[in-house]
Amino acid sequence: EAQVTQNPRYLITVTGKKLTVTCSQNMNHEYMSWYRQDPGLGLRQIYYSMNVEVTDKGDVPEGYKVSRKEKRNFPLILESPSPNQTSLYFCASNRGGGSETQYFGPGTRLLVL
Amino acid sequence: AQKVTQAQTEISVVEKEDVTLDCVYETRDTTYYLFWYKQPPSGELVFLIRRNSFDEQNEISGRYSWNFQKSTSSFNFTITASQVVDSAVYFCALRRTLYGGATNKLIFGTGTLLAVQP
Repeated sequence: EAQVTQNPRYLITVTGKKLTVTCSQNMNHEYMSWYRQDPGLGLRQIYYSMNVEVTDKGDVPEGYKVSRKEKRNFPLILESPSPNQTSLYFCASNRGGGSETQYFGPGTRLLVL
Repeated sequence: AQKVTQAQTEISVVEKEDVTLDCVYETRDTTYYLFWYKQPPSGELVFLIRRNSFDEQNEISGRYSWNFQKSTSSFNFTITASQVVDSAVYFCALRRTLYGGATNKLIFGTGTLLAVQP
């Protein structure tokens, strides 16, 4: 089954404790993205990647890091989480090209205390 | 600037009513793509439809239909004979096509919460 998976689905952590949210897709898509969803703001892009070892900032990259060492994986790293990073995070993937539909993972709900 | 506006924050209807969700977008690009996604209470984002800026044909898929009007920069979504299972947050999104889609960013509206009462 074609899908985007994320782990963990739920996470409670404390300020400053490094964490990684994993994302994997099995569709051989070139492009992958991370978004965060906050009430009243919709979804905003954090980072995206156009292929292995190629990443770039989205609209809200502060406090986040990403890497793309393999085509299928695109982890999101919070080196020192803060309460304002409490949010619902989505990973997405799509084939290259402007028209392609982005398919989303199930989401990761993060609470930073 | 690119922007998507979903002015309806919440809509409540009774089952079997028809309901239209509004989406207005802003872009200076001549080529762009519009999307609708559904987010049910379980939280995942489900792709519903993609429309490119050159195709102004309306689309119907079962009880769902979409009305794209470039003249008013709108891409409205209608559910006919709504059902309780349609209860969800619905997002409209815009994607630019620039340099082969290199930006790869979906610009989302703030979403419309649809509650269908039995």
